[in-house]
Amino acid sequence: EPEVTQTPSHQVTQMGQEVILRCVPISNHLYFYWYRQILGQKVEFLVSFYNNEISEKSEIFDDQFSVERPDGSNFTLKIRSTKLEDSAMYFCASSEVSYNEKLFFGSGTQLSVL
Amino acid sequence: EDQVTQSPEALRLQEGESSSLNCSYTVSGLRGLFWYRQDPGKGPEFLFTLYSAGEEKEKERLKATLTKKESFLHITAPKPEDSATYLCAAEITKGGSEKLVFGKGTKLTVNP
Repeated sequence: EPEVTQTPSHQVTQMGQEVILRCVPISNHLYFYWYRQILGQKVEFLVSFYNNEISEKSEIFDDQFSVERPDGSNFTLKIRSTKLEDSAMYFCASSEVSYNEKLFFGSGTQLSVL
Repeated sequence: EDQVTQSPEALRLQEGESSSLNCSYTVSGLRGLFWYRQDPGKGPEFLFTLYSAGEEKEKERLKATLTKKESFLHITAPKPEDSATYLCAAEITKGGSEKLVFGKGTKLTVNP
């Protein structure tokens, strides 16, 4: 069964450093998303992406965050200058038909900011 | 403020002991209600989408129902492999935007 692939599975970084989280969505999917989950908290929406542009973003997704689809297969989340509170599990997701319809999630990247 | 609340936070069942998980929501512009299953260290896995009050969907031992204020996930004769955290999420539309708002989940443990 096709799946969403995320790399790395764990990322440790120093506060103030830039990180790039990578995702390979399912190949025929058109809608892409990033969510995050702080330990013990709810899964939170960050951003949705369609047709090579951001469709929607949350209050969390400030100027320190950016997304890119650099080629036909990868979808990346960049955090320019990480803060301690950015420590979380980051999930990439994709869907085929429309926004939010039957999202397929990856296994996540656990980001630890020290 | 749009809110999705799940109860109980944790539930322990014996194998075969049926029960229900609750998801109540206070949102404006509800477009759909989703149920996901999340295993430890994994991303959520889609289970169901419900769009209108009175709608029901079934998959194996799981049945999801929806009213105007809440949704239930009924688990009939659960097995240990049903142990997971079950998440519900409301798709809300506001000012032309759409997003999913998740609850904190119910951690289900089924003992053999």
